[in-house]
Amino acid sequence: SAVISQKPSRDICQRGTSLTIQCQVDSQVTMMFWYRQQPGQSLTLIATANQGSEATYESGFVIDKFPISRPNLTFSTLTVSNMSPEDSSIYLCSVDILYGYTFGSGTRLTVV
Amino acid sequence: GQQVMQIPQYQHVQEGEDFTTYCNSSTTLSNIQWYKQRPGGHPVFLIQLVKSGEVKKQKRLTFQFGEAKKNSSLHITATQTTDVGTYFCAVRDDKIIFGKGTRLHILP
Repeated sequence: SAVISQKPSRDICQRGTSLTIQCQVDSQVTMMFWYRQQPGQSLTLIATANQGSEATYESGFVIDKFPISRPNLTFSTLTVSNMSPEDSSIYLCSVDILYGYTFGSGTRLTVV
Repeated sequence: GQQVMQIPQYQHVQEGEDFTTYCNSSTTLSNIQWYKQRPGGHPVFLIQLVKSGEVKKQKRLTFQFGEAKKNSSLHITATQTTDVGTYFCAVRDDKIIFGKGTRLHILP
């Protein structure tokens, strides 16, 4: 199974600023996925990131707000741009490990 | 796309009692997965079911996939405090879509 290192683990940010979240995987993976989990809620897929191509965003999420980079098969970043308090949430990256998904430990973001 | 509804949303049980969460769909599912998320933690993959009527066990956990592949259940026998958390069912296609989860709280 893959191991994912995600950072930062948490941050408190001012509204209007941006935060970039990083995920490093210990093996090469084709697709990486970014999820958002609001307190007490389920996981909502933000986008799927393939190496060498633009990320595919789910309904309700746009590239200008959540730009994603995928420079190689082991690394990806998600930026939360022009943040507002509504962006306060946990953000998780994940990878496909043949059957289930492995998740990073998450980034707990608070926007003030 | 495939969607799943999960019930109950919350469940409180006395330690030692059994617990069951259910996952339902209006359409036939190609597979069903189950995840556990401890408080403050991230989801951890438990199992995937793909066959009609499939039953799998992991110690005190029993997972079932319905004959029509439209529902699934997770049953925990004799709950322990370590079982506390939220249990999600999910459907995997080209991506994974999660149910809303069942939050299990154990009363000592």
